[in-house]
Amino acid sequence: QKEVEQNSGPLSVPEGAIASLNCTYSDRGSQSFFWYRQYSGKSPELIMFIYSNGDKEDGRFTAQLNKASQYVSLLIRDSQPSDSATYLCAVRPIMEYGNKLVFGAGTILRVKS
Amino acid sequence: GAVVSQHPSRVICKSGTSVKIECRSLDFQATTMFWYRQFPKQSLMLMATSNEGSKATYEQGVEKDKFLINHASLTLSTLTVTSAHPEDSSFYICSAPWGTQETQYFGPGTRLLVL
Repeated sequence: QKEVEQNSGPLSVPEGAIASLNCTYSDRGSQSFFWYRQYSGKSPELIMFIYSNGDKEDGRFTAQLNKASQYVSLLIRDSQPSDSATYLCAVRPIMEYGNKLVFGAGTILRVKS
Repeated sequence: GAVVSQHPSRVICKSGTSVKIECRSLDFQATTMFWYRQFPKQSLMLMATSNEGSKATYEQGVEKDKFLINHASLTLSTLTVTSAHPEDSSFYICSAPWGTQETQYFGPGTRLLVL
């Protein structure tokens, strides 16, 4: 069974701090990794994706991928109250799975001003 | 990024009626679309994969006769909840893949309330 695990939280950080969100996955052959943000009552919106080992930066967001350890993380620098949301990690397993994604249950982030 | 729309955004219906939800890819074509359901404070649950020109693929435990999916064109998939009951009340969200990584872009969702 293909699984994606996230700490449900809530993760509380003060405004301006770095928020670190982690995700582990079970399928070693997974190819692509995605981070989505979901505000309460809204649908998920894409933050970024990563498919190569290492770091990928986009503004205040940095995704980190370590395929050997099967984890992917998202760092949010200078956290703002507007970053308070549920963050979903999604993984695309090996190609025979089609282009379906496997989602984690999400981590609730609360940024306190 | 790609834009996906859904209609209606909110629907209230009586128990026993059928409800149709539309999912459209506005600026790209999608041979595949996905339908999810999300109950309050729970994670996304994939219901089915909608395939243009062929039958949908349902996830285990999802009743295909209750949740009818039609993907009649490259920009439109519909989900019909037949004989809806209060337990079908949920947030239904569609997505479509786009781009080199087949990134899934989500529609805004449809909130269904069955009385």
